[in-house]
Amino acid sequence: GDSVTQMEGPVTLSEEAFLTINCTYTATGYPSLFWYVQYPGEGLQLLLKATKADDKGSNKGFEATYRKETTSFHLEKGSVQVSDSAVYFCALIKAGGNYQLIWGAGTKLIIKP
Amino acid sequence: DSGVTQTPKHLITATGQRVTLRCSPRSGDLSVYWYQQSLDQGLQFLIQYYNGEERAKGNILERFSAQQFPDLHSELNLSSLELGDSALYFCASSVGLGHYEQYFGPGTRLTVT
Repeated sequence: GDSVTQMEGPVTLSEEAFLTINCTYTATGYPSLFWYVQYPGEGLQLLLKATKADDKGSNKGFEATYRKETTSFHLEKGSVQVSDSAVYFCALIKAGGNYQLIWGAGTKLIIKP
Repeated sequence: DSGVTQTPKHLITATGQRVTLRCSPRSGDLSVYWYQQSLDQGLQFLIQYYNGEERAKGNILERFSAQQFPDLHSELNLSSLELGDSALYFCASSVGLGHYEQYFGPGTRLTVT
């Protein structure tokens, strides 16, 4: 079945470091891909999305490119801040059928000042 | 603020009891989704409604049920509660059926003692 695999955390970086959180997926057809962020004690916020191959989603300095050839949607940010500390979830909506989100396990990001 | 509201924020109850979680979608959104977030199982899709009708079921137990009312708010009913039902329950809404962004409420934290 369709699935999402994320790199295990926690990922610990210093402020202003470059961030990459890997996400790969298994799905038939062309799913839509999403990154959500969950700050401590809060709900899930949509960070960015991409709906077709080679699309780049971006928001708040974060970017991710839909790579069909490698079935990946890695999240990147050029210079992280302490306020970026959160859990990041990669998810997909599969092509056809139900429109539920299928989730990765989440990656906890810790940014040290 | 996503525009999705959920009540109550916290719920503590005993095993064997029944609770109702409430969700109001964003204005104009017709689809409502329920998700469960637990430490051992991560984020899982439970059920989806669109304009009052059930559209998809995920890993929802038979002890759980939901409905969407004519004013589009939704309720998730959990009965014969077990310790393992302790989790965060999220409601999300989207404008319709399809690969649309889902916007999440702040969640209801259920603790079964």
